[in-house]
Amino acid sequence: QSELTQPPSVSGAPGQRVTIPCTGSSSNIGAGYDVHWYQQLPGTAPKLLIYDNNNRPSGVPDRFSASKSGTSASLAITGLQAEDEADYYCQSYESSLSGHVVFGGGTRLTVL
Amino acid sequence: QLQLQESGPGLVKPSETLSLSCTVSGYSITTRTFHWGWIRQPPGKGLEYIGGLYYSGSTYYSPSLKSRLSMSLDASENQFSLRLSSVTAADTAVYYCICSTFRSGNGVDVWGQGTTVTVSS
Repeated sequence: QSELTQPPSVSGAPGQRVTIPCTGSSSNIGAGYDVHWYQQLPGTAPKLLIYDNNNRPSGVPDRFSASKSGTSASLAITGLQAEDEADYYCQSYESSLSGHVVFGGGTRLTVL
Repeated sequence: QLQLQESGPGLVKPSETLSLSCTVSGYSITTRTFHWGWIRQPPGKGLEYIGGLYYSGSTYYSPSLKSRLSMSLDASENQFSLRLSSVTAADTAVYYCICSTFRSGNGVDVWGQGTTVTVSS
């Protein structure tokens, strides 16, 4: 059981906007720890998509954005494309585990 | 460009020790600001941070694995390694070596391709 909770799946049609929530608690996101997001395409290693809550690494399209508020965070994808079909993971840190890295359980995005 | 490549046996017997190495290219493993580590992913499941270390010697181990885990750096080979003892089927996973260079905040910005380890007799 992950300290960060994500829905197992979300879906959307091409061109639509989807959001993926990441729900934490006062001992992780709510404690002020940064949230990062990763995209894992089928059969590949994860890739950093968003760092430090709402920043995109070089090369990540601006269709991807993220936010953080209170004990939760959210990833938004606009203008959904077929190649966005992947697993998405949020990551933060857990104060009850001495700041250890924790991941959400992951969300499978299906492009209809 | 920093690249990582895992190596090690794909099959380990229960109760034995899993040993993996990660070869670093493009940068020296002695770069003090980089955080080197390991993440694993059991079949069909999510990501689990195993632990990491700095060249300075500071280590960070998962509380759930700490009693079975050790990590080290080898500057002469530009590698870092993972040893996980007393393995069980629950340790079957794809193991990724990773690096946080802090050019993208605190996120893990460099990943190896992953190596599959199966624990079975």
